[in-house]
Order: sequence, then C-alpha cells, then structure tokens
Amino acid sequence: DAGVIQSPRHEVTEMGQEVTLRCKPISGHDYLFWYRQTMMRGLELLIYFNNNVPIDDSGMPEDRFSAKMPNASFSTLKIQPSEPRDSAVYFCASSFWGHNQPQHFGDGTRLSIL
Amino acid sequence: GQQVMQIPQYQHVQEGEDFTTYCNSSTTLSNIQWYKQRPGGHPVFLIQLVKSGEVKKQKRLTFQFGEAKKNSSLHITATQTTDVGTYFCAGIYGSSNTGKLIFGQGTTLQVKP
Repeated sequence: DAGVIQSPRHEVTEMGQEVTLRCKPISGHDYLFWYRQTMMRGLELLIYFNNNVPIDDSGMPEDRFSAKMPNASFSTLKIQPSEPRDSAVYFCASSFWGHNQPQHFGDGTRLSIL
Repeated sequence: GQQVMQIPQYQHVQEGEDFTTYCNSSTTLSNIQWYKQRPGGHPVFLIQLVKSGEVKKQKRLTFQFGEAKKNSSLHITATQTTDVGTYFCAGIYGSSNTGKLIFGQGTTLQVKP
C-alpha cells in the first residue's frame, strides 16, 4: 500500500522566494496534518484538515504560511515570502476519523532557506 | 494549555542496558500514543494506550499508562543498536474525535555497541 507521499524531498531556495510543499494522503483517510520539525522547537502541528476542511490553523506561525486541501487526495503548504528561520523538516501525516487512530507520516520535505 | 512533557531529552546507554522515557501531562488524557523516529526518518506509530493503568508489551518494549491517565512510560529492556532513534509520546485530550495529537518533545536514545 502506498503511504503518505510528499514532494519535494529536499528544497533549497533563497530568502524571499515562494515555496510550495505537496502532500498526497493515504486513500480513504479523513484527516490530514502538516507538522514542522526543528531541533529547537521539536514537532509542531501547523494545521490540520478534516474532510478537506481546515479545522485548526492555530499553529501556523504567521500570514506568510498558507495551506489548502482542494480535494481528498492532495494538499499544499505554501510559504511566501520565505525566510531563513523557516528552514526545517515539514511532515505531512494522515489518519482515519477518530481520536484513537494512528497518524501515518510521509518522509518529509527538508527545507533550507538561504 | 494542553502540554505533554517528556523526559529525559537525551539518553546514552551501552548496548544491553535498559532504557526508560517518561511522559507527563498536567491534565487528564483521553489516550496516548507512542511513535519512534529513526535518524533522518519520519515518526512511525508504535502503540496506543487507552485505559487507566494499561500495560502493553511489544517484544522488549513495555508501555504503561498511569492510573490517573496523566502520565505514561516506555521501557526498553536490553537495548540494541536498532533501538536508536527518538521516541515521542503524543496525547489526546477530551472525548471529541478531533484527531489532534499533542506531541512531547521526544527522547533521543543513543546506544553504544
């Protein structure tokens, strides 16, 4: 079975550029989560969707970050304009409905903003 | 706010020694999940605990959920080099099926062969 698929795996870009991260969740999963992981702050939940609708975006750091889920099989996380402090590993995860369901993580996108 | 504290942050052990990581919450958890992240990898689900006082085992790993459902632990017996990685606990609060997990900071385990 295909797991959560993220692209690109690595992204290196210059400060001020727009960055778009992509995620394809596991088919049939109702929830989709975007996380950011850094050494300093650990694993932070940025936003999550239920049935393509954003439920909680309180973790989004600022207006430069936006996320969309136009359909059940695709989501994007966009940073515009990017800054060096956005450098991190960004994970997408998905799960079935219900608070007792495990989350399945993608391999992540390692983002470096120069 | 809802927060899950995990200790220790780092642990270095000799292969064959035991290892334990602890998770604490100031408020009652609905349930708790444990994940493992290998170096350079992504978090992978290990187990979920739901009931007060629950104990579950997976080979050399023993997971416990406290009686008050405010703390949990993961114990590894006789560590091996394959146990290297970061172990996260993740708590769920309330009875609503929101799916949101609150992750602890993780404990990074290093095992010397």
